[in-house]
Amino acid sequence: DAGVIQSPRHEVTEMGQEVTLRCKPISGHNSLFWYRQTMMRGLELLIYFNNNVPIDDSGMPEDRFSAKMPNASFSTLKIQPSEPRDSAVYFCASRRTGTSNTGELFFGEGSRLTVL
Amino acid sequence: QQQVKQSPQSLIVQKGGISIINCAYENTAFDYFPWYQQFPGKGPALLIAIRPDVSEKKEGRFTISFNKSAKQFSLHIMDSQPGDSATYFCAASTGTYKYIFGTGTRLKVLA
Repeated sequence: DAGVIQSPRHEVTEMGQEVTLRCKPISGHNSLFWYRQTMMRGLELLIYFNNNVPIDDSGMPEDRFSAKMPNASFSTLKIQPSEPRDSAVYFCASRRTGTSNTGELFFGEGSRLTVL
Repeated sequence: QQQVKQSPQSLIVQKGGISIINCAYENTAFDYFPWYQQFPGKGPALLIAIRPDVSEKKEGRFTISFNKSAKQFSLHIMDSQPGDSATYFCAASTGTYKYIFGTGTRLKVLA
Protein backbone atom coordinates (compact mmCIF):
# COMPACT_ATOMS: atom_id res chain seq x y z
CA ASP A 1 0.00 0.00 0.00
CA ALA A 2 1.32 3.44 -0.93
CA GLY A 3 0.18 5.13 2.28
CA VAL A 4 -1.40 8.57 2.52
CA ILE A 5 0.09 10.83 -0.14
CA GLN A 6 0.27 14.58 0.33
CA SER A 7 1.44 17.34 -1.96
CA PRO A 8 3.23 19.62 -2.01
CA ARG A 9 5.71 18.64 0.72
CA HIS A 10 6.86 22.22 1.03
CA GLU A 11 5.17 25.45 0.03
CA VAL A 12 6.47 28.96 0.45
CA THR A 13 4.11 31.73 -0.53
CA GLU A 14 3.46 35.37 0.10
CA MET A 15 0.72 36.75 2.26
CA GLY A 16 -2.54 37.08 0.36
CA GLN A 17 -1.88 34.25 -2.05
CA GLU A 18 -4.08 31.20 -2.41
CA VAL A 19 -2.68 27.91 -1.16
CA THR A 20 -4.03 24.48 -2.09
CA LEU A 21 -2.87 21.36 -0.30
CA ARG A 22 -3.73 17.95 -1.69
CA CYS A 23 -4.24 14.52 -0.20
CA LYS A 24 -4.78 11.02 -1.52
CA PRO A 25 -5.95 8.70 1.28
CA ILE A 26 -5.22 5.01 1.49
CA SER A 27 -7.46 3.02 -0.83
CA GLY A 28 -10.41 1.56 1.06
CA HIS A 29 -10.26 4.09 3.86
CA ASN A 30 -13.52 5.94 4.24
CA SER A 31 -12.57 8.57 6.82
CA LEU A 32 -10.23 11.46 6.12
CA PHE A 33 -8.86 14.04 8.50
CA TRP A 34 -6.94 17.28 8.05
CA TYR A 35 -4.73 18.33 10.96
CA ARG A 36 -2.53 21.37 11.48
CA GLN A 37 0.61 21.07 13.59
CA THR A 38 2.41 23.96 15.24
CA MET A 39 4.81 24.14 18.15
CA MET A 40 2.38 26.23 20.15
CA ARG A 41 -0.84 24.28 19.58
CA GLY A 42 0.29 20.77 18.71
CA LEU A 43 -1.95 18.70 16.42
CA GLU A 44 -5.25 20.45 15.78
CA LEU A 45 -8.07 18.73 13.93
CA LEU A 46 -9.32 21.03 11.20
CA ILE A 47 -11.95 18.93 9.47
CA TYR A 48 -13.16 15.34 9.28
CA PHE A 49 -14.81 13.61 6.32
CA ASN A 50 -16.65 10.31 6.41
CA ASN A 51 -17.57 8.71 3.08
CA ASN A 52 -16.60 11.99 1.36
CA VAL A 53 -19.04 14.03 3.45
CA PRO A 54 -17.75 16.70 5.85
CA ILE A 55 -18.86 15.64 9.31
CA ASP A 56 -17.14 18.13 11.55
CA ASP A 57 -15.46 21.33 10.40
CA SER A 58 -15.53 23.05 13.77
CA GLY A 59 -11.75 23.15 13.81
CA MET A 60 -11.44 25.18 10.63
CA PRO A 61 -9.99 28.48 11.87
CA GLU A 62 -12.03 30.86 9.76
CA ASP A 63 -13.67 31.37 6.41
CA ARG A 64 -10.31 31.65 4.71
CA PHE A 65 -10.02 27.89 5.09
CA SER A 66 -12.04 25.45 3.02
CA ALA A 67 -11.80 21.73 2.37
CA LYS A 68 -13.35 19.45 -0.21
CA MET A 69 -13.46 15.75 -0.88
CA PRO A 70 -14.93 15.28 -4.36
CA ASN A 71 -14.32 11.53 -4.33
CA ALA A 72 -12.97 8.76 -2.13
CA SER A 73 -9.42 9.16 -3.38
CA PHE A 74 -8.83 12.90 -3.23
CA SER A 75 -9.17 15.81 -0.88
CA THR A 76 -8.00 19.42 -0.88
CA LEU A 77 -7.46 22.01 1.80
CA LYS A 78 -7.48 25.56 0.52
CA ILE A 79 -6.42 28.76 2.24
CA GLN A 80 -7.46 31.99 0.55
CA PRO A 81 -6.05 34.51 1.30
CA SER A 82 -3.11 33.10 3.22
CA GLU A 83 -1.60 34.89 6.22
CA PRO A 84 1.75 34.44 8.03
CA ARG A 85 -0.05 32.89 11.02
CA ASP A 86 -1.14 30.04 8.77
CA SER A 87 2.45 28.85 8.62
CA ALA A 88 2.45 25.28 9.94
CA VAL A 89 2.70 21.67 8.89
CA TYR A 90 -0.59 20.37 7.56
CA PHE A 91 -1.23 16.66 7.82
CA CYS A 92 -3.78 14.53 6.10
CA ALA A 93 -4.73 11.23 7.71
CA SER A 94 -7.11 8.42 6.86
CA ARG A 95 -8.65 5.43 8.53
CA ARG A 96 -11.11 2.68 7.78
CA THR A 97 -14.25 2.87 9.88
CA GLY A 98 -16.80 0.12 10.21
CA THR A 99 -16.99 -3.40 11.59
CA SER A 100 -13.37 -4.07 10.72
CA ASN A 101 -12.17 -0.85 12.22
CA THR A 102 -8.85 -1.17 14.02
CA GLY A 103 -8.97 2.48 14.97
CA GLU A 104 -5.55 3.24 13.51
CA LEU A 105 -5.11 6.59 11.86
CA PHE A 106 -2.57 6.69 9.05
CA PHE A 107 -0.81 9.99 8.44
CA GLY A 108 0.83 11.39 5.38
CA GLU A 109 4.23 13.02 5.62
CA GLY A 110 2.73 16.49 5.80
CA SER A 111 2.84 19.71 3.83
CA ARG A 112 5.04 22.38 5.40
CA LEU A 113 3.55 25.78 4.61
CA THR A 114 5.44 29.03 5.07
CA VAL A 115 3.58 32.27 4.43
CA LEU A 116 5.87 35.29 4.20
CA GLN B 1 -14.59 17.72 27.65
CA GLN B 2 -12.80 17.10 24.41
CA GLN B 3 -9.28 17.73 25.67
CA VAL B 4 -6.55 15.23 26.30
CA LYS B 5 -3.93 16.60 28.67
CA GLN B 6 -0.40 15.28 28.23
CA SER B 7 2.69 15.66 30.38
CA PRO B 8 5.56 16.28 30.51
CA GLN B 9 6.17 18.57 27.56
CA SER B 10 9.73 17.32 27.25
CA LEU B 11 11.74 14.51 28.75
CA ILE B 12 15.41 13.62 28.86
CA VAL B 13 16.36 10.07 29.80
CA GLN B 14 19.62 8.20 29.93
CA LYS B 15 20.08 5.22 27.67
CA GLY B 16 18.68 2.15 29.38
CA GLY B 17 16.35 4.18 31.56
CA ILE B 18 12.56 4.19 31.72
CA SER B 19 10.60 6.93 29.96
CA ILE B 20 7.12 7.66 31.29
CA ILE B 21 4.57 9.92 29.63
CA ASN B 22 1.15 10.59 31.09
CA CYS B 23 -2.22 11.57 29.68
CA ALA B 24 -5.60 12.39 31.16
CA TYR B 25 -8.99 12.75 29.55
CA GLU B 26 -12.49 13.86 30.55
CA ASN B 27 -14.89 12.42 28.01
CA THR B 28 -15.96 8.94 29.13
CA ALA B 29 -17.23 8.23 25.61
CA PHE B 30 -13.65 7.75 24.42
CA ASP B 31 -13.09 4.06 23.70
CA TYR B 32 -9.72 3.89 21.97
CA PHE B 33 -6.46 5.27 23.32
CA PRO B 34 -3.47 5.15 20.99
CA TRP B 35 0.03 6.49 21.27
CA TYR B 36 1.71 7.93 18.21
CA GLN B 37 5.42 8.41 17.58
CA GLN B 38 6.68 11.17 15.33
CA PHE B 39 10.19 11.65 14.00
CA PRO B 40 11.32 15.01 12.59
CA GLY B 41 9.99 15.61 9.10
CA LYS B 42 7.60 12.68 9.25
CA GLY B 43 3.96 12.19 10.06
CA PRO B 44 2.92 10.56 13.33
CA ALA B 45 2.76 6.77 13.23
CA LEU B 46 0.87 4.42 15.53
CA LEU B 47 3.09 2.94 18.23
CA ILE B 48 0.68 1.08 20.49
CA ALA B 49 -2.99 1.38 21.45
CA ILE B 50 -5.38 0.18 24.13
CA ARG B 51 -9.11 -0.11 24.62
CA PRO B 52 -10.68 0.51 28.04
CA ASP B 53 -11.56 -3.14 28.71
CA VAL B 54 -7.94 -3.87 29.69
CA SER B 55 -5.65 -2.15 32.17
CA GLU B 56 -2.34 -2.81 30.47
CA LYS B 57 -0.94 -3.65 27.07
CA LYS B 58 2.66 -4.47 26.31
CA GLU B 59 4.44 -4.62 22.98
CA GLY B 60 8.16 -5.18 23.29
CA ARG B 61 9.67 -2.34 25.28
CA PHE B 62 6.48 -0.26 25.11
CA THR B 63 3.67 -0.58 27.65
CA ILE B 64 0.41 1.31 28.04
CA SER B 65 -1.09 1.45 31.51
CA PHE B 66 -4.76 2.43 31.63
CA ASN B 67 -6.73 3.57 34.67
CA LYS B 68 -10.37 3.87 33.70
CA SER B 69 -11.62 5.20 37.04
CA ALA B 70 -9.00 7.94 37.10
CA LYS B 71 -9.40 8.60 33.36
CA GLN B 72 -5.66 8.42 32.89
CA PHE B 73 -3.30 6.42 30.74
CA SER B 74 0.43 6.37 30.37
CA LEU B 75 3.18 5.15 28.09
CA HIS B 76 6.23 3.43 29.55
CA ILE B 77 9.31 2.88 27.43
CA MET B 78 11.61 0.37 29.06
CA ASP B 79 15.34 0.25 28.31
CA SER B 80 15.07 3.54 26.41
CA GLN B 81 17.37 3.83 23.39
CA PRO B 82 18.68 6.85 21.45
CA GLY B 83 16.56 5.67 18.51
CA ASP B 84 13.48 6.26 20.66
CA SER B 85 14.18 9.99 20.60
CA ALA B 86 11.05 11.44 19.01
CA THR B 87 7.86 13.27 19.86
CA TYR B 88 5.13 11.14 21.39
CA PHE B 89 1.45 11.96 21.25
CA CYS B 90 -1.33 10.32 23.18
CA ALA B 91 -4.79 10.42 21.68
CA ALA B 92 -8.36 9.45 22.41
CA SER B 93 -11.06 8.47 19.99
CA THR B 94 -14.74 7.66 20.04
CA GLY B 95 -15.09 4.66 17.75
CA THR B 96 -15.83 5.94 14.29
CA TYR B 97 -15.41 9.58 15.10
CA LYS B 98 -12.58 11.96 15.54
CA TYR B 99 -9.27 11.66 17.26
CA ILE B 100 -8.23 14.16 19.90
CA PHE B 101 -4.49 14.41 20.40
CA GLY B 102 -2.48 15.49 23.41
CA THR B 103 0.03 18.30 23.01
CA GLY B 104 3.01 15.97 22.62
CA THR B 105 6.11 15.05 24.59
CA ARG B 106 9.52 15.54 23.10
CA LEU B 107 11.71 12.67 24.29
CA LYS B 108 15.47 12.72 24.08
CA VAL B 109 17.42 9.62 25.08
CA LEU B 110 21.06 10.32 25.81
CA ALA B 111 23.62 7.83 24.56
